[in-house]
Amino acid sequence: GDSVTQMEGPVTLSEEAFLTINCTYTATGYPSLFWYVQYPGEGLQLLLKATKADDKGSNKGFEATYRKETTSFHLEKGSVQVSDSAVYFCALRNSGGSNYKLTFGKGTLLTVNP
Amino acid sequence: EPEVTQTPSHQVTQMGQEVILRCVPISNHLYFYWYRQILGQKVEFLVSFYNNEISEKSEIFDDQFSVERPDGSNFTLKIRSTKLEDSAMYFCASSEWEEAGELFFGEGSRLTVL
Repeated sequence: GDSVTQMEGPVTLSEEAFLTINCTYTATGYPSLFWYVQYPGEGLQLLLKATKADDKGSNKGFEATYRKETTSFHLEKGSVQVSDSAVYFCALRNSGGSNYKLTFGKGTLLTVNP
Repeated sequence: EPEVTQTPSHQVTQMGQEVILRCVPISNHLYFYWYRQILGQKVEFLVSFYNNEISEKSEIFDDQFSVERPDGSNFTLKIRSTKLEDSAMYFCASSEWEEAGELFFGEGSRLTVL
């Protein structure tokens, strides 16, 4: 079945450091890929998405490129801020299955120190 | 900004008791979902609901679980006879339509079964 594997956390960085959170997936067909973020005390929010190979999703300085050849969707940000501290979830939605069912990774806790 | 709200934020119950988790989806959304995350594990799909009936459910969603939209605004998850392994964070989500891709999540309800 479909699965998502993401980098184990927690990740602790200093402000303005470069961030990478790795995500790889296993799926049949042509999944759409997502990054969700959960800030403290809030629900999961869509951060960015990519629906086909080589697409790049971007939002709030974060980027992720859909790499079909490596089945990856790594999240990157060039300069993190304290306000980026949150849990980040990689997820996929398989076009061969239910459009609305998301398969998530375990989540990666990011803490950014001033 | 419209949001999905969930109550309670945290519930502690004794094994064997019934629990009802409540969710108020975004008002114009038509599709509703429950996901859960056991501590340290992945966010897992439980069930989706549309037009007053279950659209899809996972293997986890056995006879112990039920969902209901009792009054046109609330969307509830009932767990009959809770077990220790039901301890988890339960997330409600809603979407405007199936094809939208973006699910809007609530903050989650943490259930602790003793």
